[in-house]
Amino acid sequence: DSGVTQTPKHLITATGQRVTLRCSPRSGDLSVYWYQQSLDQGLQFLIQYYNGEERAKGNILERFSAQQFPDLHSELNLSSLELGDSALYFCASSSPRPDEQFFGPGTRLTVL
Amino acid sequence: AQKITQTQPGMFVQEKEAVTLDCTYDTSDQSYGLFWYKQPSSGEMIFLIYQGSYDEQNATEGRYSLNFQKARKSANLVISASQLGDSAMYFCAMREFLSGNTGKLIFGQGTTLQVKP
Repeated sequence: DSGVTQTPKHLITATGQRVTLRCSPRSGDLSVYWYQQSLDQGLQFLIQYYNGEERAKGNILERFSAQQFPDLHSELNLSSLELGDSALYFCASSSPRPDEQFFGPGTRLTVL
Repeated sequence: AQKITQTQPGMFVQEKEAVTLDCTYDTSDQSYGLFWYKQPSSGEMIFLIYQGSYDEQNATEGRYSLNFQKARKSANLVISASQLGDSAMYFCAMREFLSGNTGKLIFGQGTTLQVKP
């Protein structure tokens, strides 16, 4: 158990819908990262938050957005879903010593 | 641009033998970090080992060691005494240092390891 929690574990929805994925980092970790794992793209960095502020952006679509709340949990919002958004979405957190980056169990999103 | 290459899509190893999973990287940065993660069929990403670019010694964590050859830009994972539970996908990753406290990871395509009894 990495200490990073993600809910829900599985999500099945339809095209055009909007979903919210939730992540709670390890106790004391200020950074939260979101990654997407799909068969065709592999593991890709989406976005990072540090202590409530957006710190880095990767290949995140405009239909996707994220935020980190004062209690440091983070949410990834995916809207106008397409079939190609089906993937495993990971959240990871790291302490001020960023050579340790621990992943949550992931949310498997299926868009039908 | 930074890049991680894992050239072995799949590997087999006999139980109790050692196996090396290859990873090469490309970066123009002097300061970087290299990670290995294990992803079993259940899907979670398990952190295995970390090597910093300035670390003089190769990293070791139990049965895992990282063979770091900086001049060749390689960071191979060595698993000693393979166990059936080691069957999984293995990812090599590099941390890209950005401004401030950022550490996004760039991943290779992964190597599937199967341990035979």
